[in-house]
Amino acid sequence: SAVISQKPSRDICQRGTSLTIQCQVDSQVTMMFWYRQQPGQSLTLIATANQGSEATYESGFVIDKFPISRPNLTFSTLTVSNMSPEDSSIYLCSTLSGTSFTDTQYFGPGTRLTVL
Amino acid sequence: KNQVEQSPQSLIILEGKNCTLQCNYTVSPFSNLRWYKQDTGRGPVSLTIMTFSENTKSNGRYTATLDADTKQSSLHITASQLSDSASYICVVKGAGNNRKLIWGLGTSLAVNP
Repeated sequence: SAVISQKPSRDICQRGTSLTIQCQVDSQVTMMFWYRQQPGQSLTLIATANQGSEATYESGFVIDKFPISRPNLTFSTLTVSNMSPEDSSIYLCSTLSGTSFTDTQYFGPGTRLTVL
Repeated sequence: KNQVEQSPQSLIILEGKNCTLQCNYTVSPFSNLRWYKQDTGRGPVSLTIMTFSENTKSNGRYTATLDADTKQSSLHITASQLSDSASYICVVKGAGNNRKLIWGLGTSLAVNP
């Protein structure tokens, strides 16, 4: 299993500013994922972050808006840049454990972001 | 189009009662189906993972069923407890060139005393 912590747990930010969310895993993992969960919606994958390579972004998400760092096998950051109220959401960090066929996905507690 | 639909959207039951949540999907090709529990303000926690060949899988008071032919799954909760109040999310993983996770919107369950 994997235990994931995130900082901050919540924040209220002004339009036009940026926020960096940190994700720490208690063990070394290959793949880390960043998700967004907007109010009343399901989880949406933003990007996959592998150590030593550029993050892979899903359709609708771009690096300029959501730059990601993955400096080692236990840590990653997601920055939400030039924020607008539409970015108000819960941001979740996740990783995998197990075989690729039935891998178990673990999630952090999430960062609740409100943009005014 | 790959979709996962859950019903009901929300459900209220009394403590000690049983309930069943439904999940229909159109994801193809199919790899596996997962049920997650998400408490308010927390990240999702995996309950079960079922592959094509599995019809049923239990995790304590949670029992998931899968009919890969009709592309339907259910999650049955037995003898509900107040701590079962949460959102239950069905997630389907595709296979081959379609290996993404498709997330349902979840069923919000409230267990009242």
